[in-house]
Amino acid sequence: GAVVSQHPSRVICKSGTSVKIECRSLDFQATTMFWYRQFPKKSLMLMATSNEGSKATYEQGVEKDKFLINHASLTLSTLTVTSAHPEDSSFYICSARDSLAGGPATDTQYFGPGTRLTVL
Amino acid sequence: AQSVTQPDIHITVSEGASLELRCNYSYGATPYLFWYVQSPGQGLQLLLKYFSGDTLVQGIKGFEAEFKRSQSSFNLRKPSVHWSDAAEYFCAVGGGYSTLTFGKGTMLLVSP
Repeated sequence: GAVVSQHPSRVICKSGTSVKIECRSLDFQATTMFWYRQFPKKSLMLMATSNEGSKATYEQGVEKDKFLINHASLTLSTLTVTSAHPEDSSFYICSARDSLAGGPATDTQYFGPGTRLTVL
Repeated sequence: AQSVTQPDIHITVSEGASLELRCNYSYGATPYLFWYVQSPGQGLQLLLKYFSGDTLVQGIKGFEAEFKRSQSSFNLRKPSVHWSDAAEYFCAVGGGYSTLTFGKGTMLLVSP
């Protein structure tokens, strides 16, 4: 149980184009999902908290107009990198909490396999 | 503010030897603590978690961790390392529906 998928696993795009990354919880409901960015040899940096049916909460320094997040259902959140540039190249990872786990178990985050974005 | 320190950037262990990865945290309340493992180019897999109760927590793949409140530590251990354990290990702290804060990770290398 508690499987999270991401699609695509890797994407290469031209500078100036937009890229959409999907994050799905396959066997549980997730009212809250998270989007992280990971640089080489670095830890995970939380970009935003995605809340089903409401606006995402962005961390300080993350441009909300550049990284659009939509969480339209209990099992799907999308991250769209708009007008991508080479400096946006990175490994993007999503995670999800099981909304129905109950108690502190709800705090457990299950991670997707990540998406490698390369902007040329 | 919550924080996690993993003092070892990388560790090399011989296959079959024991392993201990260190993790120290700072958190204002009772922490929820996690260890995740990441293989190259992959997402994070949850190894184990501590919420409350028994301070020695058993996880998957033969890993365990011990919560020591007096030392603000949550070290990960394994009695006998396998070559397939080579990966990056992240300690994280959170709680009460708050976001997780991750350490910078420890890269485990396993020598033959």
